[in-house]
Amino acid sequence: IQLTQSPSSLSASVGDRVTITCRASQGISTGLAWYQQKPGKPPKVLIYEASGLESGVPSRFSGSGSGTDFTLTISSLQPEDFATYYCQQFSSYPLTFGQGTRLEIK
Amino acid sequence: QLQLQESGSGLVKPSQTLSLTCTVSGGSISSADYSWSWIRQPPGKGLQWIGYIYHSGSNYYTPSLQSRVAISADRSKSQFSLQLYSVTAADTAVYFCARSVHINYVGWFDTWGQGIQVTVSS
Repeated sequence: IQLTQSPSSLSASVGDRVTITCRASQGISTGLAWYQQKPGKPPKVLIYEASGLESGVPSRFSGSGSGTDFTLTISSLQPEDFATYYCQQFSSYPLTFGQGTRLEIK
Repeated sequence: QLQLQESGSGLVKPSQTLSLTCTVSGGSISSADYSWSWIRQPPGKGLQWIGYIYHSGSNYYTPSLQSRVAISADRSKSQFSLQLYSVTAADTAVYFCARSVHINYVGWFDTWGQGIQVTVSS
């Protein structure tokens, strides 16, 4: 299953509301997770099962969608949110990731 | 608190075998609630799942690597290992070990190691 994220990169300001989209090549129900990765660090899970907020993740992060179309929303960008974001499907093997969305400071 | 730590050779010659170990502390690799995976990230690129091992010993490997990869576990040492045979420069990457929630299948990755850089070069 191929996952296509859009946009590939995004410039935004602190306080902005940001939405990243992940589209699956076939239906995956809610078998999707979102990760944040900062340079030189491993990814960190933010959202599981499309909309479940991982423990300890700030509530400004939210996920939605099912089937083939999913979104990750950050309601009010904070300085520590500038990073690369990946979606990952776990509906079927092999597990696959999107190509990433780089979120940069405007 | 669960921690994963990768170890192994950071430099491998072409055609040889890449061998990495992930040591798990603060938790058991024998739990039926989780499975244990290897994931890699080539320089400047995205993430690729290599495969997993479950407490039962069952495995799955991504098809593009299936003929060259093996993942095993040593429960007495709380370790699981990756072997990638006949490496080429295309296998140069940061390799991560990770735990995934397992609900009849491998799910999302909730804990990751810090990653280890592996370079394939003569």
